[in-house]
Amino acid sequence: GESVGLHLPTLSVQEGDNSIINCAYSNSASDYFIWYKQESGKGPQFIIDIRSNMDKRQGQRVTVLLNKTVKHLSLQIAATQPGDSAVYFCAEKYGQNFVFGPGTRLSVLP
Amino acid sequence: DGGITQSPKYLFRKEGQNVTLSCEQNLNHDAMYWYRQDPGQGLRLIYYSQIVNDFQKGDIAEGYSVSREKKESFPLTVTSAQKNPTAFYLCASAAGRSQPQHFGDGTRLSIL
Repeated sequence: GESVGLHLPTLSVQEGDNSIINCAYSNSASDYFIWYKQESGKGPQFIIDIRSNMDKRQGQRVTVLLNKTVKHLSLQIAATQPGDSAVYFCAEKYGQNFVFGPGTRLSVLP
Repeated sequence: DGGITQSPKYLFRKEGQNVTLSCEQNLNHDAMYWYRQDPGQGLRLIYYSQIVNDFQKGDIAEGYSVSREKKESFPLTVTSAQKNPTAFYLCASAAGRSQPQHFGDGTRLSIL
């Protein structure tokens, strides 16, 4: 398989439990944030985004929380399923382009 | 279906050879991007283009070249000057600078 995701922090959760994946971002002036999901051998898929004028945004089974005071972003996945197993990474928009985090590998246990 | 198509999925380069990675999108997006992904690291920007016939260097442009002759297409050439080309290359497009980037499924480049 692809070597993307080697040496990443790993979060293991039981199927049906909630998952929380964290991201510390770099720049206090960043104004837009995105969470992506990347499965082995594939490109990143957009999950959810949030702009800096918001603290929380909800999607289907996912919630993103933004804490600008400590430059922290989190992704909550409700009722985690086997299909959620992947690498998740955040992206912050600073200036013209995005800065991407290295990611966290989510492993869902049966 | 609208999307981004990258080809080939796997590519092998010989010493001293230039290779070109293809990226085509039918999302009618103005902006296109090339990233390099290495194990344990975040995506790094190689080149980007906000409009046809215009492109800018990203953070790691040395040893790479691009063209943007058509809105739909943004090919990346990995030249022999790139001494460590082995990586997973991702192309993306976006409707605007503060819009989500949509990615292709990547090309894995290896050295023979």
